[in-house]
Amino acid sequence: GQQLNQSPQSMFIQEGEDVSMNCTSSSIFNTWLWYKQEPGEGPVLLIALYKAGELTSNGRLTAQFGITRKDSFLNISASIPSDVGIYFCAGLGGNQFYFGTGTSLTVIP
Amino acid sequence: GAGVSQSPSNKVTEKGKDVELRCDPISGHTALYWYRQSLGQGLEFLIYFQGNSAPDKSGLPSDRFSAERTGGSVSTLTIQRTQQEDSAVYLCASSPAGAAYEQFFGPGTRLTVL
Repeated sequence: GQQLNQSPQSMFIQEGEDVSMNCTSSSIFNTWLWYKQEPGEGPVLLIALYKAGELTSNGRLTAQFGITRKDSFLNISASIPSDVGIYFCAGLGGNQFYFGTGTSLTVIP
Repeated sequence: GAGVSQSPSNKVTEKGKDVELRCDPISGHTALYWYRQSLGQGLEFLIYFQGNSAPDKSGLPSDRFSAERTGGSVSTLTIQRTQQEDSAVYLCASSPAGAAYEQFFGPGTRLTVL
C-alpha cells in the first residue's frame, strides 16, 4: 500500500514550547487528516484538510495541506501536558485511508 | 450518545485457533472500516463497508481474514487459524454518509496470539 512518511518519530519537549511535525507521501491525496491517539484508545480526528494550500486551525493546533498535495504539517503551539499522545497523519485515496507511522509526543511539565 | 464499541477489549488465544472480533458502529453511520495497528506502527487498512455495496476487501492480508456486516450495522472480523504475527490491536471506525473523512474510532481489541 501507499506509504506516508511521518517525522519526527518522537519528540520530547518542555511544556509551553511549540511543536511541529510533518507528513510526506509519494502519492497525491485530495484530503489530509490529522489524528491523535492516547493509550488504550482509538485515534481521534483533530483536523481535516480538503484543498491544496489550505491552512486550518483548531484551537492551538494548525495544519496545512501542502501545495503539491503530497505533504502536510501539524503545529501545536504552547504545548501542555495533555497534548501527550501519538499523532498520525492520514491521506484519503479513493475509499482508503493511508496512515503515517505516527509521532509520539511527550510534554515535560 | 454512544460511540463505536468493540468487543472483546482484549483477547488472548493460542496459535491455530479462530477468533471473532466485534464492532458496533455509531447508529446511522453508513461506512465501517477495520484497521490493524501493530506495536509502534500506524494503522493498516483491512476492509471497508459502505451501505449495501460490496465491501472493499483489498487490505485483508490473507484468506484467513474475513469480515461481514449484518444488517448494515454490527460487523465481525474473523481470523482463522491465528498466527503469532496476527498479534496487534484491531480498530474499527464508522463514518456518516457523505463524510467519509469523519471517522469515529472504537477503542480497539488487543489480540495476542501465543
